[in-house]
Amino acid sequence: GAVVSQHPSRVICKSGTSVKIECRSLDFQATTMFWYRQFPKQSLMLMATSNEGSKATYEQGVEKDKFLINHASLTLSTLTVTSAHPEDSSFYICSASAGTAGNTIYFGEGSWLTVV
Amino acid sequence: GENVEQHPSTLSVQEGDSAVIKCTYSDSASNYFPWYKQELGKGPQLIIDIRSNVGEKKDQRIAVTLNKTAKHFSLHITETQPEDSAVYFCAASNTGNQFYFGTGTSLTVIP
Repeated sequence: GAVVSQHPSRVICKSGTSVKIECRSLDFQATTMFWYRQFPKQSLMLMATSNEGSKATYEQGVEKDKFLINHASLTLSTLTVTSAHPEDSSFYICSASAGTAGNTIYFGEGSWLTVV
Repeated sequence: GENVEQHPSTLSVQEGDSAVIKCTYSDSASNYFPWYKQELGKGPQLIIDIRSNVGEKKDQRIAVTLNKTAKHFSLHITETQPEDSAVYFCAASNTGNQFYFGTGTSLTVIP
Protein backbone atom coordinates (compact mmCIF):
# COMPACT_ATOMS: atom_id res chain seq x y z
CA GLY A 1 0.00 0.00 0.00
CA ALA A 2 0.90 3.65 -0.19
CA VAL A 3 3.39 5.01 2.30
CA VAL A 4 3.19 8.24 4.20
CA SER A 5 6.20 9.19 6.26
CA GLN A 6 6.03 11.54 9.20
CA HIS A 7 9.01 13.12 10.95
CA PRO A 8 9.97 13.43 13.69
CA SER A 9 8.23 10.58 15.48
CA ARG A 10 8.94 12.16 18.85
CA VAL A 11 9.97 15.67 19.76
CA ILE A 12 10.41 17.53 23.00
CA CYS A 13 10.59 21.31 22.93
CA LYS A 14 10.69 24.12 25.42
CA SER A 15 7.66 26.26 26.06
CA GLY A 16 7.63 29.30 23.77
CA THR A 17 9.60 27.70 20.96
CA SER A 18 8.29 26.46 17.62
CA VAL A 19 8.47 22.97 16.25
CA LYS A 20 7.95 21.68 12.72
CA ILE A 21 6.51 18.31 11.76
CA GLU A 22 6.89 16.99 8.22
CA CYS A 23 4.55 14.71 6.33
CA ARG A 24 5.72 13.12 3.10
CA SER A 25 3.97 10.85 0.63
CA LEU A 26 6.70 8.49 -0.54
CA ASP A 27 5.20 6.72 -3.53
CA PHE A 28 2.35 8.88 -4.73
CA GLN A 29 1.49 12.51 -5.29
CA ALA A 30 -0.75 13.80 -2.55
CA THR A 31 -3.08 16.49 -3.79
CA THR A 32 -4.66 16.74 -0.36
CA MET A 33 -3.15 16.27 3.06
CA PHE A 34 -4.91 16.30 6.39
CA TRP A 35 -3.58 17.07 9.83
CA TYR A 36 -5.10 15.57 12.95
CA ARG A 37 -4.57 15.79 16.65
CA GLN A 38 -5.29 12.85 18.92
CA PHE A 39 -5.55 12.83 22.68
CA PRO A 40 -5.08 9.58 24.61
CA LYS A 41 -7.88 7.08 24.09
CA GLN A 42 -9.77 9.46 21.84
CA SER A 43 -10.56 9.61 18.16
CA LEU A 44 -8.79 11.67 15.55
CA MET A 45 -9.62 15.35 15.57
CA LEU A 46 -9.22 16.99 12.18
CA MET A 47 -7.28 20.22 12.47
CA ALA A 48 -6.93 21.31 8.87
CA THR A 49 -7.02 20.22 5.26
CA SER A 50 -4.33 21.39 2.89
CA ASN A 51 -4.24 21.29 -0.88
CA GLU A 52 -0.99 21.67 -2.73
CA GLY A 53 -0.29 25.25 -3.65
CA SER A 54 -3.15 26.80 -1.73
CA LYS A 55 -3.91 27.89 1.80
CA ALA A 56 -5.01 25.31 4.30
CA THR A 57 -8.60 25.12 5.45
CA TYR A 58 -8.79 25.04 9.22
CA GLU A 59 -11.50 23.42 11.29
CA GLN A 60 -13.48 25.54 13.67
CA GLY A 61 -11.60 26.27 16.87
CA VAL A 62 -8.15 25.61 15.41
CA GLU A 63 -5.91 28.69 15.47
CA LYS A 64 -4.35 29.10 12.04
CA ASP A 65 -1.68 31.45 13.35
CA LYS A 66 -0.61 28.91 15.92
CA PHE A 67 -0.69 25.84 13.72
CA LEU A 68 0.94 26.88 10.46
CA ILE A 69 0.44 24.46 7.60
CA ASN A 70 2.38 24.56 4.37
CA HIS A 71 1.74 22.21 1.45
CA ALA A 72 4.50 23.36 -0.85
CA SER A 73 4.71 20.31 -3.08
CA LEU A 74 2.71 17.25 -4.02
CA THR A 75 4.75 15.10 -1.65
CA LEU A 76 5.32 17.33 1.35
CA SER A 77 3.20 19.13 3.92
CA THR A 78 4.48 20.65 7.14
CA LEU A 79 2.79 21.58 10.38
CA THR A 80 4.54 24.16 12.54
CA VAL A 81 3.37 24.60 16.10
CA THR A 82 4.37 28.15 16.97
CA SER A 83 5.05 29.43 20.47
CA ALA A 84 4.30 25.99 21.85
CA HIS A 85 2.81 25.57 25.32
CA PRO A 86 2.41 22.46 27.45
CA GLU A 87 -1.26 22.18 26.44
CA ASP A 88 -0.09 21.69 22.86
CA SER A 89 1.48 18.40 23.88
CA SER A 90 -0.30 15.74 21.90
CA PHE A 91 -0.05 13.11 19.17
CA TYR A 92 -0.18 14.75 15.75
CA ILE A 93 -0.98 12.64 12.69
CA CYS A 94 -1.04 13.49 9.03
CA SER A 95 -2.77 11.69 6.21
CA ALA A 96 -2.58 12.03 2.46
CA SER A 97 -4.93 11.48 -0.42
CA ALA A 98 -3.89 10.83 -3.99
CA GLY A 99 -6.85 12.48 -5.62
CA THR A 100 -10.39 13.62 -5.29
CA ALA A 101 -13.82 12.12 -4.71
CA GLY A 102 -13.55 9.30 -2.23
CA ASN A 103 -9.95 8.32 -2.75
CA THR A 104 -8.27 6.29 -0.04
CA ILE A 105 -6.30 8.20 2.55
CA TYR A 106 -3.16 6.86 4.15
CA PHE A 107 -1.84 7.91 7.51
CA GLY A 108 1.62 8.73 8.71
CA GLU A 109 3.01 7.10 11.83
CA GLY A 110 2.28 10.15 13.95
CA SER A 111 4.44 12.54 15.93
CA TRP A 112 4.48 12.78 19.69
CA LEU A 113 5.00 16.37 20.77
CA THR A 114 5.89 17.12 24.36
CA VAL A 115 6.24 20.75 25.41
CA VAL A 116 8.10 21.25 28.66
CA GLY B 1 -22.63 17.65 7.95
CA GLU B 2 -21.86 13.98 8.36
CA ASN B 3 -22.13 12.28 11.76
CA VAL B 4 -20.51 8.88 12.25
CA GLU B 5 -21.32 6.83 15.31
CA GLN B 6 -19.37 3.73 16.28
CA HIS B 7 -20.24 0.93 18.71
CA PRO B 8 -19.11 -0.58 20.93
CA SER B 9 -16.39 1.62 22.40
CA THR B 10 -14.69 -1.41 23.94
CA LEU B 11 -14.88 -5.06 22.98
CA SER B 12 -13.24 -8.13 24.50
CA VAL B 13 -13.36 -11.50 22.81
CA GLN B 14 -11.70 -14.85 23.33
CA GLU B 15 -9.04 -15.84 20.86
CA GLY B 16 -10.64 -17.63 17.96
CA ASP B 17 -14.01 -15.97 18.37
CA SER B 18 -15.43 -13.35 16.02
CA ALA B 19 -15.59 -9.61 16.62
CA VAL B 20 -18.10 -7.23 15.10
CA ILE B 21 -17.90 -3.44 15.17
CA LYS B 22 -20.75 -1.33 13.84
CA CYS B 23 -20.92 2.20 12.50
CA THR B 24 -23.79 4.38 11.36
CA TYR B 25 -23.64 7.51 9.27
CA SER B 26 -26.09 10.28 8.57
CA ASP B 27 -25.21 11.73 5.17
CA SER B 28 -26.64 9.75 2.28
CA ALA B 29 -24.04 11.39 0.01
CA SER B 30 -21.23 9.45 1.72
CA ASN B 31 -19.93 6.85 -0.70
CA TYR B 32 -16.66 5.51 0.69
CA PHE B 33 -16.21 3.71 4.00
CA PRO B 34 -12.72 2.72 5.16
CA TRP B 35 -11.72 0.96 8.35
CA TYR B 36 -8.47 1.69 10.15
CA LYS B 37 -6.54 -0.20 12.80
CA GLN B 38 -4.45 1.83 15.20
CA GLU B 39 -1.90 0.26 17.51
CA LEU B 40 -0.68 2.13 20.56
CA GLY B 41 1.54 5.07 19.66
CA LYS B 42 1.21 4.57 15.91
CA GLY B 43 -0.74 6.06 13.09
CA PRO B 44 -3.90 4.35 11.80
CA GLN B 45 -3.44 1.71 9.13
CA LEU B 46 -6.04 1.04 6.46
CA ILE B 47 -7.24 -2.55 6.78
CA ILE B 48 -10.26 -2.70 4.48
CA ASP B 49 -12.62 -0.34 2.70
CA ILE B 50 -15.90 -0.49 0.82
CA ARG B 51 -17.59 1.79 -1.66
CA SER B 52 -21.29 2.47 -1.90
CA ASN B 53 -21.83 0.34 -4.98
CA VAL B 54 -20.84 -2.81 -3.09
CA GLY B 55 -22.65 -4.54 -0.23
CA GLU B 56 -19.86 -6.72 1.14
CA LYS B 57 -16.12 -7.12 0.83
CA LYS B 58 -13.81 -9.75 2.29
CA ASP B 59 -10.08 -9.96 2.80
CA GLN B 60 -9.03 -13.16 4.54
CA ARG B 61 -10.31 -12.92 8.14
CA ILE B 62 -11.69 -9.43 7.72
CA ALA B 63 -14.97 -8.45 6.08
CA VAL B 64 -17.01 -5.30 5.82
CA THR B 65 -20.72 -5.05 5.07
CA LEU B 66 -22.64 -1.98 3.99
CA ASN B 67 -26.36 -1.28 4.19
CA LYS B 68 -26.97 1.97 2.33
CA THR B 69 -30.66 2.05 3.08
CA ALA B 70 -30.11 1.85 6.81
CA LYS B 71 -26.91 3.87 6.59
CA HIS B 72 -24.78 1.47 8.54
CA PHE B 73 -21.67 -0.56 7.91
CA SER B 74 -19.89 -3.16 9.98
CA LEU B 75 -16.45 -4.68 10.38
CA HIS B 76 -16.26 -8.42 10.98
CA ILE B 77 -13.09 -10.13 12.17
CA THR B 78 -13.20 -13.91 12.32
CA GLU B 79 -10.84 -16.29 14.11
CA THR B 80 -9.46 -13.44 16.16
CA GLN B 81 -5.83 -13.51 17.27
CA PRO B 82 -4.05 -11.56 20.03
CA GLU B 83 -2.36 -9.40 17.40
CA ASP B 84 -5.79 -8.16 16.36
CA SER B 85 -5.92 -6.23 19.65
CA ALA B 86 -5.93 -2.54 18.77
CA VAL B 87 -8.24 0.43 18.34
CA TYR B 88 -10.38 0.31 15.22
CA PHE B 89 -11.85 3.39 13.55
CA CYS B 90 -14.51 3.54 10.90
CA ALA B 91 -14.85 6.51 8.59
CA ALA B 92 -17.24 7.86 6.00
CA SER B 93 -16.27 10.03 3.07
CA ASN B 94 -18.23 11.95 0.48
CA THR B 95 -17.41 13.31 -2.94
CA GLY B 96 -15.87 16.37 -1.33
CA ASN B 97 -13.06 14.17 -0.02
CA GLN B 98 -13.94 14.97 3.56
CA PHE B 99 -13.46 12.10 5.99
CA TYR B 100 -15.49 11.74 9.16
CA PHE B 101 -14.29 9.28 11.77
CA GLY B 102 -16.08 7.23 14.36
CA THR B 103 -15.01 7.46 17.97
CA GLY B 104 -13.10 4.19 17.88
CA THR B 105 -13.43 0.70 19.34
CA SER B 106 -10.78 -0.73 21.59
CA LEU B 107 -10.62 -4.44 20.79
CA THR B 108 -8.92 -6.85 23.18
CA VAL B 109 -8.41 -10.45 22.14
CA ILE B 110 -7.88 -12.64 25.18
CA PRO B 111 -5.48 -15.55 24.59
